[in-house]
Amino acid sequence: EPEVTQTPSHQVTQMGQEVILRCVPISNHLYFYWYRQILGQKVEFLVSFYNNEISEKSEIFDDQFSVERPDGSNFTLKIRSTKLEDSAMYFCASSYQGYNEQFFGPGTRLTVL
Amino acid sequence: QQQVKQSPQSLIVQKGGISIINCAYENTAFDYFPWYQQFPGKGPALLIAIRPDVSEKKEGRFTISFNKSAKQFSLHIMDSQPGDSATYFCAATGGTSYGKLTFGQGTILTVHP
Repeated sequence: EPEVTQTPSHQVTQMGQEVILRCVPISNHLYFYWYRQILGQKVEFLVSFYNNEISEKSEIFDDQFSVERPDGSNFTLKIRSTKLEDSAMYFCASSYQGYNEQFFGPGTRLTVL
Repeated sequence: QQQVKQSPQSLIVQKGGISIINCAYENTAFDYFPWYQQFPGKGPALLIAIRPDVSEKKEGRFTISFNKSAKQFSLHIMDSQPGDSATYFCAATGGTSYGKLTFGQGTILTVHP
């Protein structure tokens, strides 16, 4: 069964460093998303991406964040200068249509020290 | 207006019992309501979803009941099993926010053998 994959599973970084989280969405999906989940809290939307551009972003997704689809398979989230409060699980998701079923990856745990 | 409120925060059920989790939303533009199941350390997995043109949807032991006038929907797990022990999130999307899932706070379900 096709699935969304994410790498790395765990990333530890120092405050102020740049990180890139990688995702491979399901191959025929057209819509891509990033969400985050701070430990013990609900899942929060960060950004949606379609046709090589951002469709919508939340207030969390400030200038420190960017997304890219560098090739036909990868979808990345970059945090330019990490802060302590960026520590969270980051989930990538994809869907075939705009708001049909979204399938989530296993997540990347980001720890900012 | 964008919030989805979920209750209870935690639920303990005996094996074979019925688990019921409730959600309420405010945004009348929402028109897609999925439920996700999340095990520790894993990404949310789509369990079942409903659109407001029906009042109930059943898949195996899982049923969504939807009350459009009350802006509420609920998940019923019949014959609950220890393997159902997980965190359950309701979510909603629709209107101009294509694909932006707004999640509830989550319910930690524990099914005792």
